[in-house]
Amino acid sequence: GIQVEQSPPDLILQEGANSTLRCNFSDSVNNLQWFHQNPWGQLINLFYIPSGTKQNGRLSATTVATERYSLLYISSSQTTDSGVYFCAVGINFGNEKLTFGTGTRLTIIP
Amino acid sequence: GAGVSQSPSNKVTEKGKDVELRCDPISGHTALYWYRQRLGQGLEFLIYFQGNSAPDKSGLPSDRFSAERTGESVSTLTIQRTQQEDSAVYLCASRAGTGDEKLFFGSGTQLSVL
Repeated sequence: GIQVEQSPPDLILQEGANSTLRCNFSDSVNNLQWFHQNPWGQLINLFYIPSGTKQNGRLSATTVATERYSLLYISSSQTTDSGVYFCAVGINFGNEKLTFGTGTRLTIIP
Repeated sequence: GAGVSQSPSNKVTEKGKDVELRCDPISGHTALYWYRQRLGQGLEFLIYFQGNSAPDKSGLPSDRFSAERTGESVSTLTIQRTQQEDSAVYLCASRAGTGDEKLFFGSGTQLSVL
């Protein structure tokens, strides 16, 4: 099956810093989403981005489908950004078993 | 409903007992997923329902696991003869399935098998 790798596995930053999280995948995809799992375990959908670039406030994401990677940018980090960030990919439109990466654990220090 | 609802939020059971977990997807969402997340790990796909199509059961780890969905509404995940390695958070997600591919998760059921 498709392989999804995320890097770095862990990231510790001071409040106000910027960060870039990476998701590499092993096959062509037609679905890619980024999620934030907060410290209480709730998963929040950040972006649906199978290709191109999107922005939402301090967060933005870019997927280069032809090169099989996606990047999530977080600017001016806040402590509420702490948690685990997952990317998930799907390859069969209409019957999508989304495969999740192993996640990046982000810790923002005040 | 406003979001994906799962019940119970916590379930403690004894090894060998059967458990049933429930998921109410967002109203109108045709696609429904079950995932499992062990402590400190990523999400493991279990099963996927899309409308009236046959479900994709390829992620179910053993025949002790089964799931049903009534039409495009409630789904139940049943684990028979629970084992300690079944302890995990079981997460349900739904999406509209009409061109909007964003997936929305419930808060999960924390299952502890003693």
